[in-house]
Amino acid sequence: EVQLVESGGGLVQPGGSLRLSCAASGFTVSSNYMSWVRQAPGKGLEWVSVIYSGGSTYYADSVKGRFTISRDNSKNTLYLQMNSLRAEDTAVYYCARERTMTEFDYWGQGTLVTVSS
Amino acid sequence: DIQMTQSPSSVSASVGDRVTITCRASQGISSWLAWYQQKPGKAPKLLIYAASSLQSGVPSRFSGSGSGTDFTLTISSLQPEDFATYYCQQANSFPRITFGQGTRLEIK
Repeated sequence: EVQLVESGGGLVQPGGSLRLSCAASGFTVSSNYMSWVRQAPGKGLEWVSVIYSGGSTYYADSVKGRFTISRDNSKNTLYLQMNSLRAEDTAVYYCARERTMTEFDYWGQGTLVTVSS
Repeated sequence: DIQMTQSPSSVSASVGDRVTITCRASQGISSWLAWYQQKPGKAPKLLIYAASSLQSGVPSRFSGSGSGTDFTLTISSLQPEDFATYYCQQANSFPRITFGQGTRLEIK
């Protein structure tokens, strides 16, 4: 059974850092396209970042230069390192598996990141 | 970036009703469109991909159509568990995927 479990969310001050983790089971992270998608409170969905199976990475303009997506193949885990956090980064962050550059077929339960002083 | 606009933003309907939600892309996206259902406090769930293909396990009362810039999601006979928010998503400009703003389906 495919499962994605995020962790690492919490309350952080503006300018601070946080690392999110997404532990996968039932499939191999490194063989798939994996993304982070976020949802601000009461708002819609926003794609944040993707890592291709080949290792290439891409970011939304809103987080480029501040966030870094990575994976640990030995742990079958996806990460999102978030630096220089801003109030507008407050959201539930979901990891999701992309079905080869098209749609997201599996999602984690999400982890809440709150950026506030 | 390709903008996705859904209409209506919210709709009220009754169990058994037929409901249609529309999604329009700011430029042509062929059939690179998916639909998701999201319930409060839960992750989105994939319903339709490639504009009209039903995801495994999704009830057949859900259907999708369209290509180019105009797409629709239809629920043929609403069930109590269908009241949720629905999002469209384009993948034509991969990796820069974008979502519609959502349509909230409420009980009348």
